[in-house]
Amino acid sequence: DADVTQTPRNRITKTGKRIMLECSQTKGHDRMYWYRQDPGLGLRLIYYSFDVKDINKGEISDGYSVSRQAQAKFSLSLESAIPNQTALYFCATSDPTGGNQPQHFGDGTRLSIL
Amino acid sequence: AQSVTQLGSHVSVSEGALVLLRCNYSSSVPPYLFWYVQYPNQGLQLLLKYTTGATLVKGINGFEAEFKKSETSFHLTKPSAHMSDAAEYFCAVSEANFGNEKLTFGTGTRLTIIP
Repeated sequence: DADVTQTPRNRITKTGKRIMLECSQTKGHDRMYWYRQDPGLGLRLIYYSFDVKDINKGEISDGYSVSRQAQAKFSLSLESAIPNQTALYFCATSDPTGGNQPQHFGDGTRLSIL
Repeated sequence: AQSVTQLGSHVSVSEGALVLLRCNYSSSVPPYLFWYVQYPNQGLQLLLKYTTGATLVKGINGFEAEFKKSETSFHLTKPSAHMSDAAEYFCAVSEANFGNEKLTFGTGTRLTIIP
């Protein structure tokens, strides 16, 4: 089983709909992240959480919200989806022990907004 | 603020040839540097990382990278390309301040291997 699991893997929806992308991990890491990937732009950080009670905005948080339901679960919501939010979304985790440990990524959710 | 520049969005090399993917970074404090690889329909996998110490870092699948502070570079190399190396590669930087380990990614380099 994957250490970082994202659901759904693919989603097509319409403008204005509310969408939730879910991420769960079995690595026991405190830190979790949401990124979006667009062709030619690399990965950009949307939100991150260093523990259950800590939520922080990344560089492109507008139009998104998150919920850290437990150490193992971190959800990303689009309250009212718009076409330019069509992208590949990744969840990642990291272990703070020792500082600057590498992040571990899920396989991504491909989101298309029509 | 930190940033990463990857020169060349697409690189093609022949099977068996040297692979060189370029990465330059900007950071106001000592950086931690990473290379990740992304295969189709998959997430990112860590190839290698530089934190402190030896500036030549060896990673998985025969890849290595050298941290050159004077050139603010962290180029990725592999002596002999294999067909299975075809993927997208991302360089990333994190500032070495404990508690601030956010990664900034480059825009990626897609590596094509020519048979």
